Amino acid sequence: KAGVTQTPRYLIKTRGQQVTLSCSPISGHRSVSWYQQTPGQGLQFLFEYFSETQRNKGNFPGRFSGRQFSNSRSEMNVSTLELGDSALYLCASSLAGANEAFFGQGTRLTVV
Amino acid sequence: AQRVTQPEKLLSVFKGAPVELKCNYSYSGSPELFWYVQYSRQRLQLLLRHISRESIKGFTADLNKGETSFHLKKPFAQEEDSAMYYCALSAYSGAGSYQLTFGKGTKLSVIP
Repeated sequence: KAGVTQTPRYLIKTRGQQVTLSCSPISGHRSVSWYQQTPGQGLQFLFEYFSETQRNKGNFPGRFSGRQFSNSRSEMNVSTLELGDSALYLCASSLAGANEAFFGQGTRLTVV
Repeated sequence: AQRVTQPEKLLSVFKGAPVELKCNYSYSGSPELFWYVQYSRQRLQLLLRHISRESIKGFTADLNKGETSFHLKKPFAQEEDSAMYYCALSAYSGAGSYQLTFGKGTKLSVIP
């Protein structure tokens, strides 16, 4: 059974640009959550999608958005990038909510 | 709001010595707690969850509601236990959604 797949693995963007990250969950998993991981703040919850609907959102500015498609694949978008957005972005999928989440390898975003 | 605290950023122990990684939480409801582990260059993965009360790779963790703690223990550390360990709390956030809140992690280094 394939694990959670995130693409791309690495990205370098310039301040002010926007970026889209992709996540393919484990087959059959309908819940997808996104986290931002930084050395200073650790893992912080961004949002969760279930059946194409955002069910929960963390405390991040509106520049961070996401969506989920009918096949449960999810994308997150960050607009008007800032240097502080440099982080590892992790996606996790689960069968029902956050219990026993399975994580992808992450996308390392560097904003210069 | 829920909070998870891991007081130690780094813990170094000798091979064969006992290990205890501390985790304290604050949550007004009935918590479900997890330990996740991230080995070097690998994805974040679930190590154990309190409701299963099992031992994984020799690690155990007991939920102490009185002390609001969920410390991770192993009687004899092995070199392969060196990794980053995260304590996480799952809380219901409405609309069928559960949110995982992570501690900032403890890096365990086992000295040969």
